[in-house]
Amino acid sequence: AQSVTQLGSHVSVSEGALVLLRCNYSSSVPPYLFWYVQYPNQGLQLLLKYTSAATLVKGINGFEAEFKKSETSFHLTKPSAHMSDAAEYFCAVTPGVINAGKSTFGDGTTLTVKP
Amino acid sequence: KAGVTQTPRYLIKTRGQQVTLSCSPISGHRSVSWYQQTPGQGLQFLFEYFSETQRNKGNFPGRFSGRQFSNSRSEMNVSTLELGDSALYLCASSPPGQGRDEQYFGPGTRLTVT
Repeated sequence: AQSVTQLGSHVSVSEGALVLLRCNYSSSVPPYLFWYVQYPNQGLQLLLKYTSAATLVKGINGFEAEFKKSETSFHLTKPSAHMSDAAEYFCAVTPGVINAGKSTFGDGTTLTVKP
Repeated sequence: KAGVTQTPRYLIKTRGQQVTLSCSPISGHRSVSWYQQTPGQGLQFLFEYFSETQRNKGNFPGRFSGRQFSNSRSEMNVSTLELGDSALYLCASSPPGQGRDEQYFGPGTRLTVT
């Protein structure tokens, strides 16, 4: 069984400030972890993924995430927010490659960026 | 390469009707998954197809069904529509080999049931 908890359904930051979106997971097997972004009226776009290689993962648009097994966390960060980062972000867990299509998603965090 | 395409983008149906949604994966992708997204339930996994076979299934009633064709295109069908079926239905495809753990999503079909 697997689950994902995203802490904070809404996060608001000022442009240029640090972005921190929190994700904690639960998985009975070594997890594959993902962050996706969804802009209004669009599908999800993969930002980055963790698949048991490096614990610090860099993604697109300046985002990165760190896998911490001891804390069962996979928080998403970006040093400096840009207005274009305003969107909804989803953390997801998949129980291994064979089940890549059966991902469990968190409830999402809406990021607002204030000028 | 063209991305995942879904048709139609918007659909309005009446309770009791049935509906068929279509998904064309990225060329070369053989795995297709379907998700339902609603404000109340978030993103929920419906089913996954690989090489015309259903590989995984979520916890949805039998009114929800799907299939995959030999060219990897997939359809999902919902029979006897209920108001609660109003949602954004997302399709995602995955490549074979390295990167098969990634999903590429289409823009979705927004279904409204009245």
